[in-house]
Amino acid sequence: GAVVSQHPSWVICKSGTSVKIECRSLDFQATTMFWYRQFPKQSLMLMATSNEGSKATYEQGVEKDKFLINHASLTLSTLTVTSAHPEDSSFYICSARDGRVKTQYFGPGTRLLVL
Amino acid sequence: TQLLEQSPQFLSIQEGENLTVYCNSSSVFSSLQWYRQEPGEGPVLLVTVVTGGEVKKLKRLTFQFGDARKDSSLHITAAQPGDTGLYLCAGASVDTGKLIFGQGTTLQVKP
Repeated sequence: GAVVSQHPSWVICKSGTSVKIECRSLDFQATTMFWYRQFPKQSLMLMATSNEGSKATYEQGVEKDKFLINHASLTLSTLTVTSAHPEDSSFYICSARDGRVKTQYFGPGTRLLVL
Repeated sequence: TQLLEQSPQFLSIQEGENLTVYCNSSSVFSSLQWYRQEPGEGPVLLVTVVTGGEVKKLKRLTFQFGDARKDSSLHITAAQPGDTGLYLCAGASVDTGKLIFGQGTTLQVKP
C-alpha cells in the first residue's frame, strides 16, 4: 500500500515554543492531506484539511492561528503548533488522500509532549 | 452533520471465537474504509469498499458494505491474540471527501 511518513515521530518541548510536524506522501501525489488529533483510547478528530496551493480549511473549534498548516507541494504538508502549551500535548496524525483509489493513507503519527 | 456509529466499542473474547463489528449511519458514503491501529502508531488501512453490497475478504477478516452504502461490518473468524487492537471504520463524505470516523472498537483476544 501507499506510504505516508511523518517527522518527527515524537517531540518534547517547553511551553511557549513552536513545533513543526512534516507529513509526506512517498509514492503518490496528494492534492489533499488531513491533520488529525487523537487522545488516548479515542478515535481520530479531524483538525483541518490541507489543500495544495491554497489555504487550509479548519474544523469548527480549531484555532487556525494556533495550528498553522502549509501544503507547499503535492507530497508535503506541515503542521506548526505555535506557542505550544501543555494542553496541546497529544498524538497528531496526518493522512494523504490518493484520489485514484478513493483512499486515505495515514502517517505513523507524532507524539507531542509540552512541558 | 454526518455521523458513523460504531459498535461495540469494547470487546474482549477468547482465542478461536468469532466476532462482528458494525458501523451504521443515516448518511450515504462514497466509500468506506476499515483501519487497524496499534498503540502509538498511525492507523493502517485494511480495506476500502466502494460499491453497495460489496464483500471483501482478507484472510480471516470479511468486510461488507451495505447495499445503500450507509453501513458496513467487519467479521473476524477464529480470532487470534494477534488480532488485538483498535479497529476504526471511516466513511468518505460524498460532498467533501473527508473521512467520518466511527468511535472505534478496542478488541482484546485472550489466548
